[in-house]
Amino acid sequence: QVQLVESGGGVVQPGGSLRLSCAASGFTFSTYGMHWVRQAPGKGLEWVAFIHYDGNNKYYADSVKGRFTISRDNSKNTLYLQMNSLRAEDTAVYYCAKDGMVMTGILGYWGQGTLVTVSS
Amino acid sequence: DIQMTQSPSSLSASVGDRVTITCRASQSISSYLNWYQQKPGKAPKLLIYTASSLQSGVPSRFSGSGSGTDFTLTISSLQPEDFATYYCQQSYSTPRYTFGQGTKLEIK
Repeated sequence: QVQLVESGGGVVQPGGSLRLSCAASGFTFSTYGMHWVRQAPGKGLEWVAFIHYDGNNKYYADSVKGRFTISRDNSKNTLYLQMNSLRAEDTAVYYCAKDGMVMTGILGYWGQGTLVTVSS
Repeated sequence: DIQMTQSPSSLSASVGDRVTITCRASQSISSYLNWYQQKPGKAPKLLIYTASSLQSGVPSRFSGSGSGTDFTLTISSLQPEDFATYYCQQSYSTPRYTFGQGTKLEIK
């Protein structure tokens, strides 16, 4: 069965950096696009970033463009989100989510999330 | 970006009730509309995709309809496990997949 397990969250000071990981299993990771979606405490869902199956195309929300980098290692079945220049408003639970073999935006599977807290 | 507006923001209902949640897009999105259910402390779960297709394993009491700018999610007979927050999401504007603000369904 499809399983997505995020890790790497924690408390970081404003301006700091953090790298999130999402370990995938139960499907052929290298053939699916992947997303990061976040949810601030008590708030709704915000799409953050997407990467194509081969890592050659990446897209970002305006709110994180230039600060966050999505990447993947298909040999390790792992998705990453490098977050730099973190701000208080980046505080959220970050979820990785699986798309289809072509980019559909239909998020059929989600991880359990990892909490990032940006605070001094 | 395409804005998604859900109504109501919250809703109280009883077990066995028929419930409808509405989602409106700021421009036409054809049928590129998905619905998710989220319970407290849990990840969202896909219920309906492309407006009316039921995700595998989701009970048939859930249904979706609509096209263009107006969409609905209907639960035909509420069960105790259905009390949750529901989100719509447009997948028309690749890849800026915006979500609605959510509808919290509570027990009356």
